[in-house]
Amino acid sequence: SQTIHQWPATLVQPVGSPLSLECTVEGTSNPNLYWYRQAAGRGLQLLFYSVGIGQISSEVPQNLSASRPQDRQFILSSKKLLLSDSGFYLCAWDRTSSYEQYFGPGTRLTVT
Amino acid sequence: GESVGLHLPTLSVQEGDNSIINCAYSNSASDYFIWYKQESGKGPQFIIDIRSNMDKRQGQRVTVLLNKTVKHLSLQIAATQPGDSAVYFCAETGANSKLTFGKGITLSVRP
Repeated sequence: SQTIHQWPATLVQPVGSPLSLECTVEGTSNPNLYWYRQAAGRGLQLLFYSVGIGQISSEVPQNLSASRPQDRQFILSSKKLLLSDSGFYLCAWDRTSSYEQYFGPGTRLTVT
Repeated sequence: GESVGLHLPTLSVQEGDNSIINCAYSNSASDYFIWYKQESGKGPQFIIDIRSNMDKRQGQRVTVLLNKTVKHLSLQIAATQPGDSAVYFCAETGANSKLTFGKGITLSVRP
């Protein structure tokens, strides 16, 4: 069966510090991968998606970036965090042949 | 632009009653819709989906209804239980065939 992992689960970082969130998927190959951000009481905002290694599409201009160094690894990064980067970050995957996305447990990021 | 939105931000129901969560969508070209349930502090979990060539689909205690004429989607939960308390999202396939999520509605079940 397939599983998706995210870490860390929670993170408190000062403004201006760097960020690296990691997501890995097990039990499948060549998945589509997604990063979402969810502000408190809000919906899901798609940040990035990737259809393959090294292929990243950005949905929203911001100070975040994403990378996919391996087939089942997706990383969300920032060089300098802003207060507005606080939120719940979710990684998800799906198969090319399916629209159903499977979500990870999320990372709660608080920028102070 | 295209959007998926929910009519009400919160819904409170009595345990044992049926719940109906509504969603409006604006992309008439969407051909696939999903309902997700998100419990506090967790990632969304798939509940049920429906394709645009259907108007109703049933699962265990849940039914999704699709009205393409008025671009309306609803999730019905039978005999609502405390474990159903969560935020519910509808999602549709967008212009690039990626899912677009609605704002979310909180379902609160009263004992």
